[in-house]
Amino acid sequence: AQRVTQPEKLLSVFKGAPVELKCNYSYSGSPELFWYVQYSRQRLQLLLRHISRESIKGFTADLNKGETSFHLKKPFAQEEDSAMYYCALLPKTSYDKVIFGPGTSLSVIP
Amino acid sequence: SQTIHQWPATLVQPVGSPLSLECTVEGTSNPNLYWYRQAAGRGLQLLFYSVGIGQISSEVPQNLSASRPQDRQFILSSKKLLLSDSGFYLCAWGDGTVNAGELFFGEGSRLTVL
Repeated sequence: AQRVTQPEKLLSVFKGAPVELKCNYSYSGSPELFWYVQYSRQRLQLLLRHISRESIKGFTADLNKGETSFHLKKPFAQEEDSAMYYCALLPKTSYDKVIFGPGTSLSVIP
Repeated sequence: SQTIHQWPATLVQPVGSPLSLECTVEGTSNPNLYWYRQAAGRGLQLLFYSVGIGQISSEVPQNLSASRPQDRQFILSSKKLLLSDSGFYLCAWGDGTVNAGELFFGEGSRLTVL
């Protein structure tokens, strides 16, 4: 079964500290993986996707197929990073449904 | 540019009453359409998705149904609401092609069943 897990519901870090939001997935094939973010009073939006290998707002994420993980990292957290973060999976056998994890609420303490 | 609208934004309904949430997309054709429910501690649960008019895939058997009467219209319905149907419902669209996985979300509809 296809599944995305995010073990931390809440994560608090101090401003300037490194941050890592964990994501693990269950999928027998090679999925495409994404991180979405929802800032307070804004719509849920795409942050980054693994195939583009880009850094967005200082965030990066590396796909580790051996560990079936796609953790989101940022070396120095900023207050504006406080938001809800969702990891998502697109099965390549079905370019239709997108499966989201339960989300992690990140709070950056000034 | 593409836009997505869903309504109503807030709805309070008694148990046993019907439900209709509507979602429309503008500026694109033949989009993939999705209904998700966002619940605290449970994240985003995919309820239904559609790749074309009249084509509905149900992910979670429950008290809800979805319909796509037009290319850019997606409706979430219930004949009799349950308390457990309370939640925040999100509509989204994606192009289902090379950018599959990039979804664009509406502002959401908060449903409270009393």
